[in-house]
Amino acid sequence: DAKTTQPPSMDCAEGRAANLPCNHSTISGNEYVYWYRQIHSQGPQYIIHGLKNNETNEMASLIITEDRKSSTLILPHATLRDTAVYYCIVKTAGNEKLTFGTGTRLTIIP
Amino acid sequence: GAVVSQHPSRVICKSGTSVKIECRSLDFQATTMFWYRQFPKQSLMLMATSNEGSKATYEQGVEKDKFLINHASLTLSTLTVTSAHPEDSSFYICSATGLKETQYFGPGTRLLVL
Repeated sequence: DAKTTQPPSMDCAEGRAANLPCNHSTISGNEYVYWYRQIHSQGPQYIIHGLKNNETNEMASLIITEDRKSSTLILPHATLRDTAVYYCIVKTAGNEKLTFGTGTRLTIIP
Repeated sequence: GAVVSQHPSRVICKSGTSVKIECRSLDFQATTMFWYRQFPKQSLMLMATSNEGSKATYEQGVEKDKFLINHASLTLSTLTVTSAHPEDSSFYICSATGLKETQYFGPGTRLLVL
């Protein structure tokens, strides 16, 4: 699976949109981009995933660049409960394993 | 939907004893379950992958005789830490996949070995 690069930490003001970037320049055509988050002392929570089209659900939006070498997770109206470590993971279709990197520690500021 | 539970949520045991952790998929049948370990301020590390009715596949460096995994049904997998020692103290997390390959994680079990 392709390696991902994320900033180690970010701050965002409460109520604003949080935009979390992820680089995956070596991604292959059959690899999906998955986003999970882990709130302190809890198991990771699935957020969203996509292949090449932008995706939106009740939690977030995922914007994938046309060349698929990077993506951005958008939390449209961040709340204090969104403070967590966010993991961007590239996973090959048919390969069930997830490899967690160090993620981005997002802190929502009141 | 896609809820995974773990029991217990935390456990304290004496060195040399064994501890069993249960992982259940509550509202879906899990074709595959995974066990991870997370040390403080580190990321999750995959320990093993298990499929119902077959032997688990362990990641390199994980002792299969120390971390016994049983996946007896499509909704239950257990991890037994045998002869636990203080260095086994960690946060153990399971996950499960259904038909759509997305992994859903349990809340984790914090193990402290004294």
